[in-house]
Amino acid sequence: GENVEQHPSTLSVQEGDSAVIKCTYSDSASNYFPWYKQELGKGPQLIIDIRSNVGEKKDQRIAVTLNKTAKHFSLHITETQPEDSAVYFCAARLYSSASKIIFGSGTRLSIRP
Amino acid sequence: EPEVTQTPSHQVTQMGQEVILHCVPISNHLYFYWYRQILGQKVEFLVSFYNNEISEKSEIFDDQFSVERPDGSNFTLKIRSTKLEDSAMYFCASRAGTAYNEQFFGPGTRLTVL
Repeated sequence: GENVEQHPSTLSVQEGDSAVIKCTYSDSASNYFPWYKQELGKGPQLIIDIRSNVGEKKDQRIAVTLNKTAKHFSLHITETQPEDSAVYFCAARLYSSASKIIFGSGTRLSIRP
Repeated sequence: EPEVTQTPSHQVTQMGQEVILHCVPISNHLYFYWYRQILGQKVEFLVSFYNNEISEKSEIFDDQFSVERPDGSNFTLKIRSTKLEDSAMYFCASRAGTAYNEQFFGPGTRLTVL
């Protein structure tokens, strides 16, 4: 089955700097890659996603890139702000009727003031 | 904005007892899911449910687990005889009809088995 690896597990950046989180996946049939932000005491919330027919997608300060050949995808947050502090999960989903999500292990991002 | 709700927020139970976790998915969504997250670990898929039946389940979802959509609005997860290792955060999620629709997650129920 699909396996998603995520690095780093913790990341601390200065406010205003950029943060990058990287993931790899194992199943080449996966075709949808969402990123979730989880704040303390809350469920995962989708912040951006990318489909396998797209190499890059941007939404304001957040961008995702996908390299299908290498099975790598990354999250880039620019001009980080204190409210960006949270746990971020990458995930992969195989197109199917069930469409279960396979999560990475998470990255705890801390923004230093 | 519509959201997935879950009750209770925290459930404490004794080992061997049955628990039922409750979820109200977003109305007009067709696919329903349960995931769990053991403290400090990744979120893991348990089961998906569509058209009143299980469409996929993981190895974790053994005979001790069951799901039900009793009245067209609620979606429940039952653990028949809880074990210590069932202690985790349980998330319900729902999705509208097409394959690329986002899964919306509830806030979770923290289950503590003593």
